Amino acid sequence: KAGVTQTPRYLIKTRGQQVTLSCSPISGHRSVSWYQQTPGQGLQFLFEYFSETQRNKGNFPGRFSGRQFSNSRSEMNVSTLELGDSALYLCASSLGASGGKTQYFGPGTRLLVL
Amino acid sequence: ELKVEQNPLFLSMQEGKNYTIYCNYSTTSDRLYWYRQDPGKSLESLFVLLSNGAVKQEGRLMASLDTKARLSTLHITAAVHDLSATYFCAVDCTSGTYKYIFGTGTRLKVLA
Repeated sequence: KAGVTQTPRYLIKTRGQQVTLSCSPISGHRSVSWYQQTPGQGLQFLFEYFSETQRNKGNFPGRFSGRQFSNSRSEMNVSTLELGDSALYLCASSLGASGGKTQYFGPGTRLLVL
Repeated sequence: ELKVEQNPLFLSMQEGKNYTIYCNYSTTSDRLYWYRQDPGKSLESLFVLLSNGAVKQEGRLMASLDTKARLSTLHITAAVHDLSATYFCAVDCTSGTYKYIFGTGTRLKVLA
């Protein structure tokens, strides 16, 4: 079974631009969660989608948004990029809603904002 | 405010030795997660602990949860070099506004 895939793997943007990251979950998984990892703030939860609905959201500004499609693939969008958005963005999928479930992580997208 | 604290932050140990990583959290939660991250890599889920007294073991790693003490431990038995990685615990809280908080991580180095 194929694992979680994320595209692109690496991305360089400039301040003020916007970016869209994509995550394809393991086949049959309906939940996708997104996380941000930075050296300063560590790992932080962004949001979780289940069956095309946002179930939970972390403490991030409205510039961070996401969506999930009917095939469970998910995208996250960051608008008006700031230098501090440079991070590793991880997505994870689970069979059911992620609470209490094992999550399977993708390889991540490394975003550098210049 | 939900806080999750891990200690130690850094751990250097000899192969064959035992050690424990501690994860304390500040609010009521029945769900605790342990993850492993190798340098430059993504996260790998190790354990999901869902109730007080839960204990799970996989190879040389054993995790336990005491919800009354708000404490989880990750015990390493007879460490081997391949266990060198950063270990994170995380807690989610569904009462009130949902929160999912990671600990700061424990960087483990096992010396041959």
